[in-house]
Amino acid sequence: EVVMTQSPATLSVSPGERATLSCRASQGVKNNLAWYQQTPGQAPRLLIYGASTRATGSPARFSGSGSGTEFTLSISSLQSEDVAVYYCQQYNNWPRTFGQGTKLEIK
Amino acid sequence: EVQLVESGGGLVQPGGSLRLSCAASGFMFSNYDINWVRQAPGKGLEWVSYISSSSSTISYADSVKGRFTLSRDNAQNSLFLQMTSLRAEDTAVYYCARANGWYGPLDYWGQGTLVTVSS
Repeated sequence: EVVMTQSPATLSVSPGERATLSCRASQGVKNNLAWYQQTPGQAPRLLIYGASTRATGSPARFSGSGSGTEFTLSISSLQSEDVAVYYCQQYNNWPRTFGQGTKLEIK
Repeated sequence: EVQLVESGGGLVQPGGSLRLSCAASGFMFSNYDINWVRQAPGKGLEWVSYISSSSSTISYADSVKGRFTLSRDNAQNSLFLQMTSLRAEDTAVYYCARANGWYGPLDYWGQGTLVTVSS
């Protein structure tokens, strides 16, 4: 099983500042990596797939990068509505696995 | 508009059974693979099961293998997760989510249905 490890567990960022979230895979997953955003009480929503492609409706301030085992989600200018838990997921191997999540807070 | 609507959750005793449904609309259901993902209270996401568009491939997480059975009815645009021998650790919100291809992300999710296993 591919273990996905996200860091940090919690991130506090001031409005308008940049947020950078990390995800590491225990073995290479090529670029078969997605990021999901889950706001309180809601279902997860696809933000990024293919490691770097924004999903339909994802704001341009969200960007993804990486390949193989190291991935990053960046939010260029944090907005209040970005407060959420962010999960990475690999879909290269079975079983599909998620990271444990990074909780993003407003400072 | 793509919609996935789960139903069938509720309170069940340990060892009991429950059948979850996922009703799809707004897209050609028979062309898409579907997954179930669950989230225990206050915890992260756990992939549970997968079914291909034609039902030719079905897979399960080790944690539910032998206890859960996934099926679909493309004529009814519906998906069913039969859960048996339920345990306290199966308590979670269960989401159905559309997969965009074999090597594809989960691009649309339902709102989830809560399953509580408790005596």
